[in-house]
Amino acid sequence: AQSVAQPEDQVNVAEGNPLTVKCTYSVSGNPYLFWYVQYPNRGLQFLLKYITGDNLVKGSYGFEAEFNKSQTSFHLKKPSALVSDSALYFCAVRDINTGRRALTFGSGTRLQVQP
Amino acid sequence: DTEVTQTPKHLVMGMTNKKSLKCEQHMGHRAMYWYKQKAKKPPELMFVYSYEKLSINESVPSRFSPECPNSSLLNLHLHALQPEDSALYLCASSQESAVNEQFFGPGTRLTVL
Repeated sequence: AQSVAQPEDQVNVAEGNPLTVKCTYSVSGNPYLFWYVQYPNRGLQFLLKYITGDNLVKGSYGFEAEFNKSQTSFHLKKPSALVSDSALYFCAVRDINTGRRALTFGSGTRLQVQP
Repeated sequence: DTEVTQTPKHLVMGMTNKKSLKCEQHMGHRAMYWYKQKAKKPPELMFVYSYEKLSINESVPSRFSPECPNSSLLNLHLHALQPEDSALYLCASSQESAVNEQFFGPGTRLTVL
């Protein structure tokens, strides 16, 4: 079975500082990994994905994520946080070997950026 | 058009009511999804439609009934719901390939009294 873990319920960072939101995954084969962001009372917005190739993936709004196969991690990063980045962030995985179309989401991490 | 639209935005219903949630996309996607999201929890997959055929049913109660009239529309029919069914219901769509991300609608906030 495929799964993702987001070990932090909340991450607090000061505006202008770098941020990291952690995600680890477990799949039987090669993973497809995604990051989504959700603002209050809104749907999820796609940020970026890792399919294959370069381990550093760049996405929307200045976010990037680093795929690390040996550590089975896909941490989300941003060099300089903005107050407007405050939201709920979900990591998700799809196991290509099972052929399942469904995404399995992590529990979510609330990012709070303080001015 | 890269938008998934959902109506209504909010819905309050009694346990004996019948109502429907609607979802529409015009991105040419052939896979559409219904998710249920409780407060401060991740979305949970309810149904997947691929080429207008239901391909996954995650043991969702029969009081939820999906319908896909065509490749652009997805409905969720609700009947005899329970208060614990109150949640944010999200619709999403994607290209068929597993590498493609899903595009989510803004959701319908459902309250069952």
